[in-house]
Amino acid sequence: DQQVKQNSPSLSVQEGRISILNCDYTNSMFDYFLWYKKYPAEGPTFLISISSIKDKNEDGRFTVFLNKSAKHLSLHIVPSQPGDSAVYFCAASPRGGAQKLVFGQGTRLTINP
Amino acid sequence: GAGVSQSPSNKVTEKGKDVELRCDPISGHTALYWYRQSLGQGLEFLIYFQGNSAPDKSGLPSDRFSAERTGGSVSTLTIQRTQQEDSAVYLCASSFTWEGDNGYTFGSGTRLTVV
Repeated sequence: DQQVKQNSPSLSVQEGRISILNCDYTNSMFDYFLWYKKYPAEGPTFLISISSIKDKNEDGRFTVFLNKSAKHLSLHIVPSQPGDSAVYFCAASPRGGAQKLVFGQGTRLTINP
Repeated sequence: GAGVSQSPSNKVTEKGKDVELRCDPISGHTALYWYRQSLGQGLEFLIYFQGNSAPDKSGLPSDRFSAERTGGSVSTLTIQRTQQEDSAVYLCASSFTWEGDNGYTFGSGTRLTVV
């Protein structure tokens, strides 16, 4: 039972363009969502998060959008840079007990020069 | 140290042997988590320690898996009688009590290969 799904295993984007990574979830108890970035041979690093009381959160080139009715969130990176090439994981946390994050399978983003 | 430290970084073991994976969290972090990532999969929750509370072991896949956290700091994940399906990257993370905004800080992981 995959509660958090990233249906695109990979994405290739030209440098300077917008990268859009998508994530769907099934559990309506989730109320906090995070994106992590992972380089090879390193642990995931926190990128950006959003609470269910918001529909958008922006941090520099990174913006996360949340559509609660569709149980969908997306991460926008603009403009995309070669250093953004990595695996991106979305994660969700249940209401009232945020100790365990549930992760998606990840999307490998490649930025082409 | 400044980050979450895991050792060894790589471990190759024969099927049926026991292995111990170590995690040294960020000093002062009260919460410690173990996850694993199998090839092509997302991060799978294994176990969570919070202060002196009983650990949440709900993610451990079988009774061959166990974990301890001594003195509220270092944690050891033990896998007994390893099987080939145990091959994965085992990731440890730590945090203060849940702060929401920043999630966890992960270590670089231990890549376990069972042959």
